[in-house]
Amino acid sequence: EIVLTQSPGTLSLSPGERATLSCRASQIVSSSYLAWYQQKPGQAPRLLIYGASSRATGIPDRFSGSGSGTDFTLTIGRLEPEDFAVYYCQQSGFSSYSFGQGTKLEIK
Amino acid sequence: EVQLVESGGGLVQPGGSLRLSCAASGFTFDDYAMHWVRQTPEKGLEWVSGISWNSVYTGYADSVKGRFTISRDNAKNSLYLQMNSLRAEDTALYFCAKDHEQWFGSHIFDYWGQGIVVTVSS
Repeated sequence: EIVLTQSPGTLSLSPGERATLSCRASQIVSSSYLAWYQQKPGQAPRLLIYGASSRATGIPDRFSGSGSGTDFTLTIGRLEPEDFAVYYCQQSGFSSYSFGQGTKLEIK
Repeated sequence: EVQLVESGGGLVQPGGSLRLSCAASGFTFDDYAMHWVRQTPEKGLEWVSGISWNSVYTGYADSVKGRFTISRDNAKNSLYLQMNSLRAEDTALYFCAKDHEQWFGSHIFDYWGQGIVVTVSS
């Protein structure tokens, strides 16, 4: 089973700062099969990025994804107050379709 | 506007059964694969099951294989999850989710319901 490990577990930043979140896979994942989601308390996850770097419909361009192989990154260019949430990566290339454990982005 | 509304959750004893339903609207339901994903504080997000647009292909997580059955009724724009032989570890918030790609899907989920709680306890 492929395991996705996200780091850091918690990231404390201020609005206006840049956030960099990491997702490392236990096996090589095709870039086509890596996605990122945002989840706020009491809400369902929201798709942000698919194919490692393509923004989903309606996602602001301050969100960007990059990476290949086993290392992927979600970058939030300039944090807005509504961006503080938990972020998950997910792989869809192996049949477990597994998620990372999440990175909590909190206000410093 | 895409809407997915789950129903059918609740409290059930170990070994019991429950059937979840998901009513879909705002998109052409029979063009897309659909999925169930669950979430717990301990294990996080876990894909449970998926079904292709025409029900020809279904898939299950190892943890539920042989106990859960996914199905859909395209005429009713509805997705279902029949859960049998329930265990305490099946306790979770269950989400219905739409696949990002048409037909057989990509197992990336672009719209989610609000979730329904299933509690397995005596």
